[in-house]
Amino acid sequence: DAKTTQPPSMDCAEGRAANLPCNHSTISGNEYVYWYRQIHSQGPQYIIHGLKNNETNEMASLIITEDRKSSTLILPHATLRDTAVYYCIVRGNTGKLIFGQGTTLQVKP
Amino acid sequence: NAGVTQTPKFRVLKTGQSMTLLCAQDMNHEYMYWYRQDPGMGLRLIHYSVGEGTTAKGEVPDGYNVSRLKKQNFLLGLESAAPSQTSVYFCASSDWGNTEAFFGQGTRLTVV
Repeated sequence: DAKTTQPPSMDCAEGRAANLPCNHSTISGNEYVYWYRQIHSQGPQYIIHGLKNNETNEMASLIITEDRKSSTLILPHATLRDTAVYYCIVRGNTGKLIFGQGTTLQVKP
Repeated sequence: NAGVTQTPKFRVLKTGQSMTLLCAQDMNHEYMYWYRQDPGMGLRLIHYSVGEGTTAKGEVPDGYNVSRLKKQNFLLGLESAAPSQTSVYFCASSDWGNTEAFFGQGTRLTVV
């Protein structure tokens, strides 16, 4: 499964959109991009996933570039409760789910 | 519907002791996973299973064994605990294909 690269940390003002980038330049055609977050060392929580089309749900939007080598997770109106570590994962057909170091998002008042 | 349940939630072991962590899921999921998370680090995959009776090594399998005798349960064993295995252990499960994984709340293990 392809590796991902994320910035170690980011800040965002409360009420503003948080845009979290992820690079996955070695992604294969059948591999999906997943995003999870972990709050206060709880079990990770699923946010969203996609293959090549942009996806949106009640939590976030996922924008995948046309060449699929990078993606951006967008939290449209960040709140203090969105402060967490966000993980971008590329998952293929092996079933494995490999986490990287993630991005620590700090939402500030 | 409890989701993914880990037992126990906390445990202190002496070096050399053995123990088994239990992960149970009630969603009829095929895939199950065991991770460890050290302070300030991301989750690292220990072992995983793609179906009843199957297991496979992840990123950090040494010192651990697993079994998936029943579809709903995934057991993680430490035969001879070492201080380096002090960590928080998470279990997860997911269905076939590209679907979301559900995580348990973790087991905090300390080896002294």
